[in-house]
Amino acid sequence: GAGVSQSPSNKVTEKGKDVELRCDPISGHTALYWYRQRLGQGLEFLIYFQGNSAPDKSGLPSDRFSAERTGESVSTLTIQRTQQEDSAVYLCASSLGLGGETQYFGPGTRLLVL
Amino acid sequence: AQSVAQPEDQVNVAEGNPLTVKCTYSVSGNPYLFWYVQYPNRGLQFLLKYITGDNLVKGSYGFEAEFNKSQTSFHLKKPSALVSDSALYFCAFYNFNKFYFGSGTKLNVKP
Repeated sequence: GAGVSQSPSNKVTEKGKDVELRCDPISGHTALYWYRQRLGQGLEFLIYFQGNSAPDKSGLPSDRFSAERTGESVSTLTIQRTQQEDSAVYLCASSLGLGGETQYFGPGTRLLVL
Repeated sequence: AQSVAQPEDQVNVAEGNPLTVKCTYSVSGNPYLFWYVQYPNRGLQFLLKYITGDNLVKGSYGFEAEFNKSQTSFHLKKPSALVSDSALYFCAFYNFNKFYFGSGTKLNVKP
């Protein structure tokens, strides 16, 4: 079956530009997470969506970061006025959302800000 | 503060030898505990998880992990390492709607 997909797989942008990253979760998964993984480091939680509840945005590093999700489907992570320190792999994961269910990760989007 | 620690950045082991990748956690309540593996240029893959019950959990690719409540540890183990096990391993726990990940341990298995 189809897993979590993310697009684009790679994105190179200039400092100051806006970027939009997309995540397609597994069908039927109500929970969706975004993480950032800097080179050689662990996963940094960014934001969490669960069904129609208000998202948990507590991990977003600044107001330049925002994310949306339409219902229980696609999510987009937007980074405005990108900075070089935003360069990282952005990972999306989804789960059944019943509480502690296994997360299934997408392949990630590798973002490079020049 | 809730956190998960992987004290070793890197673990080196010879093929055929047993391996252990360490993980300890600090959390209130009874979290769910996970191990994930990340192969080069690939996404994270689920290995195993502990929710309740038997302290020894068996997972994919012959891996297992032992939950020790008194030591707040959840070490990953495998009786006989393979070169193909070389990857980055992440310990994580779930508590109050969030997942917390460790910084990762790079496992090198040498022939």
